[in-house]
Amino acid sequence: DMKVTQMPRYLIKRMGENVLLECGQDMSHETMYWYRQDPGLGLQLIYISYDVDSNSEGDIPKGYRVSRKKREHFSLILDSAKTNQTSVYFCASSFREGTEVFFGKGTRLTVV
Amino acid sequence: KTQVEQSPQSLVVRQGENCVLQCNYSVTPDNHLRWFKQDTGKGLVSLTVLVHENDKTSNGRYSATLDKDAKHSTLHITATLLDDTATYICVVGDRGSALGRLHFGAGTQLIVIP
Repeated sequence: DMKVTQMPRYLIKRMGENVLLECGQDMSHETMYWYRQDPGLGLQLIYISYDVDSNSEGDIPKGYRVSRKKREHFSLILDSAKTNQTSVYFCASSFREGTEVFFGKGTRLTVV
Repeated sequence: KTQVEQSPQSLVVRQGENCVLQCNYSVTPDNHLRWFKQDTGKGLVSLTVLVHENDKTSNGRYSATLDKDAKHSTLHITATLLDDTATYICVVGDRGSALGRLHFGAGTQLIVIP
């Protein structure tokens, strides 16, 4: 069953709190991604991971960090969340070669 | 600068009608173009991928075209159903591997009414 699973699906945090978003995939994909989706904008790439401990900044990495210690798991961490990090966060995964990308259902994060 | 522009921004059609969604892009190189369907509160699900100049694809009631010279793609939905209500997102990849970048449009919100 090919799946990208995100937890939690909904999260409300206070400004300054730490946030951990988790993502798992069961397809043995080497590459995993974190995107955010804001109204009126296309998805923006935060970080990409090419394999365990092989992570690269995307287009908007400021305020975020990631961790990939196992191929099937990719975490997004917000140290001291800000209100402008309120968004829907999507995790995705793919093989290194090829064009197909699989997306999770998203985590709606609200920072108050 | 937005490299993938979708139109219209939103669209309301009656069940059973056909509709056409447009995608114009400036991404270079343009290795492939993929259309996704995003139901409200859900992730993106791939509908079809176009790779070659003048590609045409068909997936049930969904069909798509790609004109690489014009950097333009269309998604046609035939005989719309209420379940077609969703946001349709055009994505252009600049490589055929994870080493490339995906460039996302903001989407067209389609509402199908009875």
